[in-house]
Amino acid sequence: AQTVTQSQPEMSVQEAETVTLSCTYDTSENNYYLFWYKQPPSRQMILVIRQEAYKQQNATENRFSVNFQKAAKSFSLKISDSQLGDTAMYFCAFMNDRGSTLGRLYFGRGTQLTVWP
Amino acid sequence: SQTIHQWPATLVQPVGSPLSLECTVEGTSNPNLYWYRQAAGRGLQLLFYSVGIGQISSEVPQNLSASRPQDRQFILSSKKLLLSDSGFYLCAWRPRGANEKLFFGSGTQLSVL
Repeated sequence: AQTVTQSQPEMSVQEAETVTLSCTYDTSENNYYLFWYKQPPSRQMILVIRQEAYKQQNATENRFSVNFQKAAKSFSLKISDSQLGDTAMYFCAFMNDRGSTLGRLYFGRGTQLTVWP
Repeated sequence: SQTIHQWPATLVQPVGSPLSLECTVEGTSNPNLYWYRQAAGRGLQLLFYSVGIGQISSEVPQNLSASRPQDRQFILSSKKLLLSDSGFYLCAWRPRGANEKLFFGSGTQLSVL
């Protein structure tokens, strides 16, 4: 079974600074997808960034980037120029690439990020 | 464009009462549909998924059931709620085909008292 571990229950950062959220996962699969989701107080799940395991290049979406280390099974999220609106719970998630089970997301327990003014 | 509707937003139910949560998707056909539950302080756990009308797969044994009576409708039910059924329930959908993106509804906060 796939497991996703987020070792930081809470993180805080000052506005405009950079913060990195950690995530490790365990799988025997070779092809899979990794995601970071953001859940603000509204509790809406919002996709922040995704990474395909067969791509070596780290994904980037504006101020959000990942450091994907496949051999180490590590997938950290870096938020640059943090904004107050980034305050949310962040979930790391894993999805395997097999057709019958595609769409099954395995989530970590989340990291609560607070951005201070 | 595609949208997903989930209701109600909040629900307070007594132990032993029935449950029905509904989710509908618009703007697409033959989507894969999912029910997730988020317990306090935890990530999301997949409860059920469906690849077509009447086709339901259960991930974990529990007090809940799911049904898909129409292509874009997914219902989560229980005949008798337990205290442990409390949580935040999210419906999600994925386009048919090799697309790994999952889109979530706005969720239902269920409190069983």
